[in-house]
Amino acid sequence: QSVLTQPPSVSAAPGQKVTISCSGSSSNIANNYVSWYQQVPGTAPRLLIYDNNKRPSGIPDRFSGSKSGTSATLGITGLQTGDEADYYCGTWDSSVHAGVFGGGTKLTVL
Amino acid sequence: EVQLVQSGAEVRKPGESLKISCKGSGYNFFTYWVGWVRQMPGKGLEWMGIVYPGDSDTRYSPSFQGQVTISADMSIGTAFLEWDSLKPSDTAIYYCARRAVGATNPFDYWGQGTLVTVSS
Repeated sequence: QSVLTQPPSVSAAPGQKVTISCSGSSSNIANNYVSWYQQVPGTAPRLLIYDNNKRPSGIPDRFSGSKSGTSATLGITGLQTGDEADYYCGTWDSSVHAGVFGGGTKLTVL
Repeated sequence: EVQLVQSGAEVRKPGESLKISCKGSGYNFFTYWVGWVRQMPGKGLEWMGIVYPGDSDTRYSPSFQGQVTISADMSIGTAFLEWDSLKPSDTAIYYCARRAVGATNPFDYWGQGTLVTVSS
């Protein structure tokens, strides 16, 4: 049981938009920055979004992040088949003094 | 170029010990934290713990406290994850990752992962 809650799966057609939610609490998301990671099967995770809504160099602006209260959202527009992957949210949890991840969401581009 | 290069896959029997490594290059190793993340077969990411090579300060997730030992050797730019007595449930891919100073900073660079298999 992960501290952060994500939907197990989402799907959409190529070219469409999808959002992935990440729900937490006052000890984690509400008071700390949220990051998002993409993991293509068989590869290491890659940082997509940090500080709630910032993109590292090289990440296209089709990927966006937002946060409100105890929840965060990853948005992906102009879906491509190459976006099929597992997506994880992560943040710091001040009650356990450790990082936490969501359970992950599998994105299928139909 | 920032790189984290992990040691190769390991196969051990239950009860055996193991130490895997993560060598950083392309940046000042002692000024960034190095964390470890577990991914059990077919499962999600789990935050295990983190070490600051500059002074060996170490933090563990409650789930992993006492189960593993995280350390670093600044002189060789390498972080380690160690078990005294492996269990079959330790079978997983273990990733190391770099984090800037500041608890809420993300893991911005990741190693390629080390597969640990524990089986009799």
